[in-house]
Amino acid sequence: GQNIDQPTEMTATEGAIVQINCTYQTSGFNGLFWYQQHAGEAPTFLSYNVLDGLEEKGRFSSFLSRSKGYSYLLLKELQMKDSASYLCAVRPLTSGTYKYIFGTGTRLKVLA
Amino acid sequence: GAGVSQSPSNKVTEKGKDVELRCDPISGHTALYWYRQSLGQGLEFLIYFQGNSAPDKSGLPSDRFSAERTGGSVSTLTIQRTQQEDSAVYLCASSVGLSKETQYFGPGTRLLVL
Repeated sequence: GQNIDQPTEMTATEGAIVQINCTYQTSGFNGLFWYQQHAGEAPTFLSYNVLDGLEEKGRFSSFLSRSKGYSYLLLKELQMKDSASYLCAVRPLTSGTYKYIFGTGTRLKVLA
Repeated sequence: GAGVSQSPSNKVTEKGKDVELRCDPISGHTALYWYRQSLGQGLEFLIYFQGNSAPDKSGLPSDRFSAERTGGSVSTLTIQRTQQEDSAVYLCASSVGLSKETQYFGPGTRLLVL
């Protein structure tokens, strides 16, 4: 089967660094995405990894290890507005299609 | 219209009624997705359209659910004989269908079945 695991909830302090992990088991691999979703809103795109390594974009970075089926999202200099759910999504390797499998999301609470 | 739009934004219906949810994707996007998100949960894949290919319906939970995409653009998700467990947010997303391109989500339709 296809499965994506993320922690359900995390709490961190304003100004700190937090790492949200995601492990996956899918039929092949064709990219991993991280999305941010504030309560009551639609998910918005944060990052994309298809090759091993770290992708940095401002305060947010995302890492991928394909051999381990593992990714993490790193948030630096946390701000209160970073309180949201973070969704990990994997695109299995299926010829000619771009279907996504989503994890259940990690709810991050940033405390003052 | 720069983004994905969905209508209605909220829908309250009685158990047993049929509902139609509409999605207008970003112009030129060939791929369109429907997801369901129950309170506090992740996204559950429902159906996926890609260009003129047959849709991937593998996520539809029962034969009460159906979707169509007319003219490669607007899509309608229909739920027949609604049940209380159908209550959720229904999200639509579109993408250009290229490997590294992400999906763009609409604001969702919040469905409540009484």
